[in-house]
Amino acid sequence: EPEVTQTPSHQVTQMGQEVILRCVPISNHLYFYWYRQILGQKVEFLVSFYNNEISEKSEIFDDQFSVERPDGSNFTLKIRSTKLEDSAMYFCASSSTDYNEQFFGPGTRLTVL
Amino acid sequence: QKEVEQNSGPLSVPEGAIASLNCTYSDRGSQSFFWYRQYSGKSPELIMFIYSNGDKEDGRFTAQLNKASQYVSLLIRDSQPSDSATYLCAVIEGNKLVFGAGTILRVKS
Repeated sequence: EPEVTQTPSHQVTQMGQEVILRCVPISNHLYFYWYRQILGQKVEFLVSFYNNEISEKSEIFDDQFSVERPDGSNFTLKIRSTKLEDSAMYFCASSSTDYNEQFFGPGTRLTVL
Repeated sequence: QKEVEQNSGPLSVPEGAIASLNCTYSDRGSQSFFWYRQYSGKSPELIMFIYSNGDKEDGRFTAQLNKASQYVSLLIRDSQPSDSATYLCAVIEGNKLVFGAGTILRVKS
């Protein structure tokens, strides 16, 4: 069964450093998403991506964040200058349409020290 | 933004019983509803989705949607200890999911 994959599973970084989180969506899906979940809190939407551009982004997704689909299979989230409050689980998801069910990857636990 | 409300629980049921999980939503225009299961430290796993009023059954799971009352529920029949997890209700807004905080379910053997 096809699945979304994410790397790394755990990333530890120093405050102010740049991190890149990687995702490989399900191969025939066209819509890609990033969500995050701070420990003990709700899953929150960050950004959606379709046809090589951002289709929607949340207030959390400020200028420190960017997304890219560099090679037709990977989908990346970059945080330019990490803050302590960026520590969270980051989930990538994909779907075949924009109203259909979204399938989540296993997540990357980001720890900012 | 649409709001999704869930009782945080924990909801405790004995093994073999029916677990009933409920969710209410704020936007009467919401069309698509999803139930995800999340084990501690893991990612959300899709269980079911429902678009139409009424019931939708898939194995031991039944989703129920009542748009007039703006609630969605998930019934789990013959609950097993492996069903112990947090159950997340979500609605589509635009092309993003808006999640509730989740209900913790504990199935006691």
